[in-house]
Amino acid sequence: AQSVTQPDIHITVSEGASLELRCNYSYGATPYLFWYVQSPGQGLQLLLKYFSGDTLVQGIKGFEAEFKRSQSSFNLRKPSVHWSDAAEYFCAVGPASGGSYIPTFGRGTSLIVHP
Amino acid sequence: DAGVIQSPRHEVTEMGQEVTLRCKPISGHDYLFWYRQTMMRGLELLIYFNNNVPIDDSGMPEDRFSAKMPNASFSTLKIQPSEPRDSAVYFCASSLKGRGTEAFFGQGTRLTVV
Repeated sequence: AQSVTQPDIHITVSEGASLELRCNYSYGATPYLFWYVQSPGQGLQLLLKYFSGDTLVQGIKGFEAEFKRSQSSFNLRKPSVHWSDAAEYFCAVGPASGGSYIPTFGRGTSLIVHP
Repeated sequence: DAGVIQSPRHEVTEMGQEVTLRCKPISGHDYLFWYRQTMMRGLELLIYFNNNVPIDDSGMPEDRFSAKMPNASFSTLKIQPSEPRDSAVYFCASSLKGRGTEAFFGQGTRLTVV
């Protein structure tokens, strides 16, 4: 069965500092990987996705993620964090089987940004 | 498109009452998902539909939970009777068919059962 692990429950950074959020997945084949962001009181919004090609993926809001098959990882990065980036971040993997898309989500990492 | 629309945004009900959550997916999407989000368990998939047909409801916690999708533009999640432990944020999401396509989420319904 596919699974996603986000080892950090909370991450605290200062505004302007760089950021890396970790994500490790378990999947039998080439995975489809996603990062979502959830602002307080809102639904999940897609930041970026990977399903083939270049292993460095660019997303919205200045985020990027790198797929590393050897490490089963898909870490999210941003070179300079803004206060508005404070939110919950979810890594997801899919599909499960049969060509259908059933995303499995990690537990999420809460990003706290200090001024 | 206005995105996935859920109603109500907030619901407060008394234990034992019936609760119905509603979802309008993005037009043309093939899949519809219902998720529940709690601090303890994170984001859990409750049930999903493909072309209005329920495919997997193994995530539905108990028989008190039921979901329907009478047509391509509407789905409901019903809890009867509700209990305090059902308090959570319930999300509806929809997606197109095909590998690599992402799910689009509604803003959620925050349910409080007192």
